[in-house]
Amino acid sequence: SQQGEEDPQALSIQEGENATMNCSYKTSINNLQWYRQNSGRGLVHLILIRSNEREKHSGRLRVTLDTSKKSSSLLITASRAADTASYFCATDEHDMRFGAGTRLTVKP
Amino acid sequence: DVKVTQSSRYLVKRTGEKVFLECVQDMDHENMFWYRQDPGLGLRLIYFSYDVKMKEKGDIPEGYSVSREKKERFSLILESASTNQTSMYLCASSFAARQFTFGSGTRLTVV
Repeated sequence: SQQGEEDPQALSIQEGENATMNCSYKTSINNLQWYRQNSGRGLVHLILIRSNEREKHSGRLRVTLDTSKKSSSLLITASRAADTASYFCATDEHDMRFGAGTRLTVKP
Repeated sequence: DVKVTQSSRYLVKRTGEKVFLECVQDMDHENMFWYRQDPGLGLRLIYFSYDVKMKEKGDIPEGYSVSREKKERFSLILESASTNQTSMYLCASSFAARQFTFGSGTRLTVV
């Protein structure tokens, strides 16, 4: 299986600051996805980046992918209290597996 | 709005009971998945299905079975519920294993 591993496990920042989360994986991939989970709810898809892409933007989200280092980062700019959630990465086109996630807390 | 619907948000069952968790999707997706989520352990894949009547074991299938008689419905069955199966259960579906759509989850407590 190709399970993403998120880092750090937990992150606490002030509103307005940027939040950066990282994801590492072990083997070659076709795409990597980031998801968000509000407390006690299901995961919501945020963004997909393909293996031939290096960077992708969606609103305040910026995702980078470095296939040589087998890592990805998710940057949330100008964070808001509503961004408080857990963030997960997942790889592999089949049998999608997830890590333990990064728990982000944005303080107002 | 496309969705994955899990039949119950909260469920309390007794040890030894047979428990059915239902998941229905309206997106005509071939692939459906069941995960359980426990603090510090992330999401762990229990079973998945690529087509009607097909099922594949995930990482932790012991104590569980599944049923997929129709494309839109994927049921998770706890044959004899035990307290260590107390968890959040998440169902998801996808088309060609691309973007996943998750249900809201079922928080199961086995007493």
